Amino acid sequence: EDKVVQSPLSLVVHEGDTVTLNCSYEVTNFRSLLWYKQEKKAPTFLFMLTSSGIEKKSGRLSSILDKKELFSILNITATQTGDSAIYLCAVDYGGATNKLIFGTGTLLAVQP
Amino acid sequence: NAGVTQTPKFQVLKTGQSMTLQCAQDMNHEYMSWYRQDPGMGLRLIHYSVGAGITDQGEVPNGYNVSRSTTEDFPLRLLSAAPSQTSVYFCATLFRTGANSPLHFGNGTRLTVT
Repeated sequence: EDKVVQSPLSLVVHEGDTVTLNCSYEVTNFRSLLWYKQEKKAPTFLFMLTSSGIEKKSGRLSSILDKKELFSILNITATQTGDSAIYLCAVDYGGATNKLIFGTGTLLAVQP
Repeated sequence: NAGVTQTPKFQVLKTGQSMTLQCAQDMNHEYMSWYRQDPGMGLRLIHYSVGAGITDQGEVPNGYNVSRSTTEDFPLRLLSAAPSQTSVYFCATLFRTGANSPLHFGNGTRLTVT
């Protein structure tokens, strides 16, 4: 059975801390791995990873993929209260269907 | 350019009632899909459409119908609502079917079935 597993399920940190969110996967087909941030409404796109070992970076956020060990991490440095959200990891199966399989998400709370 | 618009934002139904969740996009996106989000389950694909006139089932299609008569609209119908369909529903689109690009999500419809 295809699955995407995220850890931890939830995390509470203080402003300024660095956090690492984990995503592992077991799927029959893999095209890319995506990270989304979800606050109150729609998930918003953060990163798409297709190749191992190439770090994607946007400001204080970065992510990397390991296709041999089947996992990805999302790092957030110098956390701010605005980083509080659910972080979703998803795998794109590829092909003509654009199906995504999602993990259950990591709930991050950043306290002042 | 409104992007992906979902209506209504909130809805309460009684068991057995029917309703249609609306999804409209003005970006001329070819691909449209519906996901539901439940606590502890992540987002799961209900139905999707790779273009006008073409729809297919996702992971959890039972109890839902869809149609795609125009490029812009992809309504999701619940013919006889059940409490198990209490969830948050998201419409997600992509400019071209099969493209290796992230989906764009609407703001969701929160549905409660009593």
